[in-house]
Amino acid sequence: SQELEQSPQSLIVQEGKNLTINCTSSKTLYGLYWYKQKYGEGLIFLMMLQKGGEEKSHEKITAKLDEKKQQSSLHITASQPSHAGIYLCGADPSGTYKYIFGTGTRLKVLA
Amino acid sequence: ETGVTQTPRHLVMGMTNKKSLKCEQHLGHNAMYWYKQSAKKPLELMFVYNFKEQTENNSVPSRFSPECPNSSHLFLHLHTLQPEDSALYLCASSQGGDQPQHFGDGTRLSIL
Repeated sequence: SQELEQSPQSLIVQEGKNLTINCTSSKTLYGLYWYKQKYGEGLIFLMMLQKGGEEKSHEKITAKLDEKKQQSSLHITASQPSHAGIYLCGADPSGTYKYIFGTGTRLKVLA
Repeated sequence: ETGVTQTPRHLVMGMTNKKSLKCEQHLGHNAMYWYKQSAKKPLELMFVYNFKEQTENNSVPSRFSPECPNSSHLFLHLHTLQPEDSALYLCASSQGGDQPQHFGDGTRLSIL
């Protein structure tokens, strides 16, 4: 079965610093989703990537899907305390609603 | 603003109790999902409903019983739960399998 591995598992950065979170799939991805979760709350959709080499940005967050469609990265520029939370990547490998998710990356931003 | 509402937000129950979790989506989506989120484990898909029909049961124990009376409402009936069932239960909806999911804020379940 397909799995999504995220790295790092946790990250502490100083406010204003840039950071990158990676999501690696054991098989080719046909679509990848990035979500953010605050502790004890639901997931908030950030971005969806579907094509190899695709890159999308929203405010200071940029996500990319590599050409082989097996790895995605999420980059935050000039991090702020509001960026703190758990970032999860997710995918529906077979297109049959059977979503899988990575274990998440816990981000803390120090003011 | 989530568009997906879950109740209750917190639930404490004994192993012999029967309770139900409720989820309602106001987004007009056709698919609804139940997930279990435990500490240090990936989000686990439990059930999928598409146009009110169950299309996925991810080997979930029978003590969890889902119900989907219409495309906007989803329930998870609980009975004779075990301590390891303590977790955050999340409901989500989507318009198709190739579209992003929208999540509720979850029900934090504690089994005594």
